Amino acid sequence: KNEVEQSPQNLTAQEGEFITINCSYSVGISALHWLQQHPGGGIVSLFMLSSGKKKHGRLIATINIQEKHSSLHITASHPRDSAVYICAVLTSGSRLTFGEGTQLTVNP
Amino acid sequence: GAGVSQSPSNKVTEKGKDVELRCDPISGHTALYWYRQRLGQGLEFLIYFQGNSAPDKSGLPSDRFSAERTGGSVSTLTIQRTQQEDSAVYLCASSPGPANYEQYFGPGTRLTVT
Repeated sequence: KNEVEQSPQNLTAQEGEFITINCSYSVGISALHWLQQHPGGGIVSLFMLSSGKKKHGRLIATINIQEKHSSLHITASHPRDSAVYICAVLTSGSRLTFGEGTQLTVNP
Repeated sequence: GAGVSQSPSNKVTEKGKDVELRCDPISGHTALYWYRQRLGQGLEFLIYFQGNSAPDKSGLPSDRFSAERTGGSVSTLTIQRTQQEDSAVYLCASSPGPANYEQYFGPGTRLTVT
């Protein structure tokens, strides 16, 4: 079992839908990252959080440390949101452990 | 301002050859990371540099892999005697401080070993 599990692996939505991607982890962490990888391969950091909730535009990330779970929400989804969303946790020291990613496709 | 840059963007090499991949982090960023992404797979941590501290090499897959960071800035990842399983995209990221900071990723170097 991977230390970081994401669900779903693939998600297809219609433009405008509310989207949730989940991340569960089995180790103690000091922080959790959500990353976005575009079809061309470029990776952008969306959020880094260690507690509570963060919001940036249409994106919201939450984390529950006790339940070892984080969610990434996208409101009013748009085709340009189509990408792979990756959860990564910071465990001991400096090492990030990555989930396998969730492939999101938003159709117009 | 300039982001993280990597060179070359693509590299094709023959099995057994050595390769060097370069990363230029964002100016002033003290932390630098190398990651690997094999085709269709997730990201893997390779190595982490923070300031003048000894690097965290715990992710390097074999002793054929090494990395250095000169003057706290540019970093070079070297793979000796390349194997086909080394084919991957190698990504570099930098951050303003130690681990609990947002990371900024470069565009990656796609390495193909034939």
